[in-house]
Amino acid sequence: DAKTTQPNSMESNEEEPVHLPCNHSTISGTDYIHWYRQLPSQGPEYVIHGLTSNVNNRMASLAIAEDRKSSTLILHRATLRDAAVYYCILRGALGGNQFYFGTGTSLTVIP
Amino acid sequence: KAGVTQTPRYLIKTRGQQVTLSCSPISGHRSVSWYQQTPGQGLQFLFEYFSETQRNKGNFPGRFSGRQFSNSRSEMNVSTLELGDSALYLCASSFVLRTQRVPGELFFGEGSRLTVL
Repeated sequence: DAKTTQPNSMESNEEEPVHLPCNHSTISGTDYIHWYRQLPSQGPEYVIHGLTSNVNNRMASLAIAEDRKSSTLILHRATLRDAAVYYCILRGALGGNQFYFGTGTSLTVIP
Repeated sequence: KAGVTQTPRYLIKTRGQQVTLSCSPISGHRSVSWYQQTPGQGLQFLFEYFSETQRNKGNFPGRFSGRQFSNSRSEMNVSTLELGDSALYLCASSFVLRTQRVPGELFFGEGSRLTVL
């Protein structure tokens, strides 16, 4: 699986939008971009995933660059409950469910 | 519907002992994967089971093993424990269709925290 690069940490003020970047320059044409987050003392939870087009769900939006070499997870209004480590993961269409998590981005939300 | 259940939540062992961790997936989920999380190495994939067969394996020594039962429940075992095996062990389940092409969403349990003294 191709690797991803994320900033180690980011801060955001509460109720402001947050843009979490992820670089994946070696992405292949069949790799899906997945985002998971891990709240303190919990297992990771799914946030969103996409292939080529931008995606929206109740938790977040995923903006994918036209060349697919980068993507951005957007939290529209950060809340204190969004403080977590966010992982950007590439996963091919075939194969099992072995997800390779990088170091992720630790998001701090400031009240 | 009940989530992924892992037992025990906490345990302490000494070097050289062995440990067995259990994972009950969400009802209907046939894929179970295991991850090790440590402060130094982050989240690392151990192995995945689907329909009682190991489908994928990460880069861990043979001391780490697992199995899956016909009801999809899974266990992982670590023999001859070392200090470096102290970690949070996470289990994740997912629903897999026979014709599924998109990697399924993983549902994680809260983990079993193992301390090796």
